[in-house]
Amino acid sequence: QVQLVESGGGLVKPGGSLRLSCAASGFSFSDYYMTWIRQAPGKGLEWVSYISFSSNTIYYADSVKGRFTISRDNAKKSLYLQMNSLRAEDTAVYYCARVYSTSGYAFDFWGQGTMVTVSS
Amino acid sequence: QSALTQPASVSGSPGQAITISCTGTSSDVGGYNYVSWYQHHPGKAPKLMIYEVSNRPAGVSNRFSGSKSGNTASLTISGLQAEDEADYYCSSYTSSSTLYVLFGGGTKLTVL
Repeated sequence: QVQLVESGGGLVKPGGSLRLSCAASGFSFSDYYMTWIRQAPGKGLEWVSYISFSSNTIYYADSVKGRFTISRDNAKKSLYLQMNSLRAEDTAVYYCARVYSTSGYAFDFWGQGTMVTVSS
Repeated sequence: QSALTQPASVSGSPGQAITISCTGTSSDVGGYNYVSWYQHHPGKAPKLMIYEVSNRPAGVSNRFSGSKSGNTASLTISGLQAEDEADYYCSSYTSSSTLYVLFGGGTKLTVL
């Protein structure tokens, strides 16, 4: 069955860096666009970044542009999010999700998330 | 850009039907048929329930249905069951140049 497992979250000081990983299994990873979505404590969901099959197309939300970098390794079936210059407002649970092949604007499988806390 | 607007909470008794609204603008909900709905039990992975306004992915109960009128989309859950108690989020494609998908703030469904 499809599984997405995030890792790499933790406590980091403002201005610090963190790299999140998402290990995929149960499907042909290289055939799917992937995305990162986050949820700050007590808040709704916020789309963060998106990457195409072969990494040719990448989008970022304005709130993270220039600080976060999405990447993928199809051979390792893994998705990554390099987060630099972290701010308190980046504190959130970060989910990786698969873009639904039937509709490019829906996400049909999600991981359980990894918590990132930015605090001094 | 503001998130899509959802009621903070709704409630219903087992067997009843409830509707959750999701209001946006002509740049998102009203302009495109790319509205999705997600069910989220805290601590678990969110689950896609509806895509493209009214389509259900395989395996999703037909008690869940979606619709749209103007800038407002709706999720209706009929025959409420205890396991439906969760947070529900809508999302929509947006033509904003700085975003790809916009989410709602979420609605907590309580089954009384």
